[in-house]
Amino acid sequence: GAGVSQTPSNKVTEKGKYVELRCDPISGHTALYWYRQSLGQGPEFLIYFQGTGAADDSGLPNDRFFAVRPEGSVSTLKIQRTERGDSAVYLCASSTSGGADTQYFGPGTRLTVL
Amino acid sequence: DAKTTQPTSMDCAEGRAANLPCNHSTISGNEYVYWYRQIHSQGPQYIIHGLKNNETNEMASLIITEDRKSSTLILPHATLRDTAVYYCIVSVLFGSARQLTFGSGTQLTVLP
Repeated sequence: GAGVSQTPSNKVTEKGKYVELRCDPISGHTALYWYRQSLGQGPEFLIYFQGTGAADDSGLPNDRFFAVRPEGSVSTLKIQRTERGDSAVYLCASSTSGGADTQYFGPGTRLTVL
Repeated sequence: DAKTTQPTSMDCAEGRAANLPCNHSTISGNEYVYWYRQIHSQGPQYIIHGLKNNETNEMASLIITEDRKSSTLILPHATLRDTAVYYCIVSVLFGSARQLTFGSGTQLTVLP
């Protein structure tokens, strides 16, 4: 079956602009995670959704970052007033129901802020 | 979550077993050991996980020491496609969420 998909695969923007990154989880998966990976580092947790609600957003770096999952499926990560330090690969993962379930990752969106 | 220590890089000959070590000396009794790998420009891929017993699946084996302070991931017959960064993660469940705290991992290079 289809895995986790993310669009766009690459996004180049200018400092100060607003961007939206989309994640389509595996069908039927209720848990959805966002991670951010900087060059040469492992992924870092940003936010976790269980259904439509953000159950844990402790990893969001500041209030410029926001994520939604209005219908409990597709999620959008939104970044306002982008900064050069936001440049990274943004990864999305989903799992059947959270908890101990295996997380399946998408290919990521590479964001470059000029 | 407990901190893990892995070698920065390792090489392995194609067809031989690759043994990737991980130290997690501060692991708690309810923390699992997870292994993921990341092939260049792809998202991380789940390999295996365990609590205290050794585990085996179609991809690999996981050997956890009796004191649980270290573990070894074994790829029994490494191929060139196994070249990747391998992450050892210890993780505890917080409510319904399981944050995976990735370190820097081990770059495994399988040589022809």
